Amino acid sequence: AQRVTQPEKLLSVFKGAPVELKCNYSYSGSPELFWYVQYSRQRLQLLLRHISRESIKGFTADLNKGETSFHLKKPFAQEEDSAMYYCALSGRATDKLIFGTGTRLQVFP
Amino acid sequence: EPEVTQTPSHQVTQMGQEVILRCVPISNHLYFYWYRQILGQKVEFLVSFYNNEISEKSEIFDDQFSVERPDGSNFTLKIRSTKLEDSAMYFCASSFQGGQFFGPGTRLTVL
Repeated sequence: AQRVTQPEKLLSVFKGAPVELKCNYSYSGSPELFWYVQYSRQRLQLLLRHISRESIKGFTADLNKGETSFHLKKPFAQEEDSAMYYCALSGRATDKLIFGTGTRLQVFP
Repeated sequence: EPEVTQTPSHQVTQMGQEVILRCVPISNHLYFYWYRQILGQKVEFLVSFYNNEISEKSEIFDDQFSVERPDGSNFTLKIRSTKLEDSAMYFCASSFQGGQFFGPGTRLTVL
């Protein structure tokens, strides 16, 4: 079964603390993994793709095929990082996105 | 920076009525999608569209749903006879290759 699991509905941290948003996936084959972010009252925005291996707004994510994970990390959280974060995957044979349920990140001052 | 746009932002309709949700994808994009998100649930894929035809659809996308790209810029989702359970946020997305870019969504409320 194709599935994306984000175990935490809410993650609360203080400004300057490290952040790790967990994402695990189930997919038979080699998926492409994404992180999308949705700030308050805004659209879903593409944050990261695993094939790009880039850092956006200080966030990084590494695909771990052994653990089937794609956790999102940032060493020092900022208040403006407060948002809803969605992990998603697509497959080689299909480009539809399968989303996780999302994690709300709250960064307190 | 070009963005996907959607209209209306909010649509209220009576059960059994037809609705058309409209999207203008980013102009050089070739792949188009509709997703929906029922309140409190995950974003779900409905349909993908390429080269003027449906390339994939989910089991949600039954005969009550249809998509069209009538004029080379708009991309529409029609629900022929709305049901209460169609109430959701509907997102359009487009891509050139790789990452999909989403519109702001249309909130559909079926009474």
